Amino acid sequence: DTGVSQDPRHKITKRGQNVTFRCDPISEHNRLYWYRQTLGQGPEFLTYFQNEAQLEKSRLLSNRFSAERPKGSFSTLEIQRTEQGDSAMYLCASSLRGAGGDTQYFGPGTRLTVL
Amino acid sequence: LAKTTQPVSMDSYEGQEVNITCSHNNIATNDYITWYQQFPSQGPRFIIQGYKTKVTNEVASLFIPADRKSSTLSLPRVSLSDTAVYYCLVAANSGGSNYKLTFGKGTLLTVNP
Repeated sequence: DTGVSQDPRHKITKRGQNVTFRCDPISEHNRLYWYRQTLGQGPEFLTYFQNEAQLEKSRLLSNRFSAERPKGSFSTLEIQRTEQGDSAMYLCASSLRGAGGDTQYFGPGTRLTVL
Repeated sequence: LAKTTQPVSMDSYEGQEVNITCSHNNIATNDYITWYQQFPSQGPRFIIQGYKTKVTNEVASLFIPADRKSSTLSLPRVSLSDTAVYYCLVAANSGGSNYKLTFGKGTLLTVNP
């Protein structure tokens, strides 16, 4: 078990460009989450998948953001027409649905800088 | 959603035991209490989770009183590498069996030599 991985670790882009991030969850985990974290703040929930179904989206996720998990394994988060306010750390987490607390395990994050 | 309150920062010295207390007055019956540790430019790392009484693992202990309105994370004999932000969370059941984590700003623990 190699844990949750994210790619790339860092991304610098110019305003108006599109970017895509990838998350590979822990292999047997059926739940996958995306969070965003800005400096000095805790992570904020963006969206959540159970298998391939996207079950919840935060209001933070504007229509420029889209997330997919096509085969219930890896997930991608795309930001279209990036803005400087999109600069943040984008975190992915995964968990295995079961009885009791649903422990989420986080990846290292992708740091996005929009110039 | 249950809201948590924890100190903004704490200072300690190497070798000491550190206790970080978190208040969650509105915790629901089905909610679990989870603590994460985060180093700069890394994702949060799961430390410990509990529902009631006491939970202990190789890293920390979690004390939860009977009313569950607060919890205390105990780190034994901290070292410089324990300097990090510690988040207390209450698992939010946002419909059905879905869970999403609501992070506050956490507690910045600084361990001094």
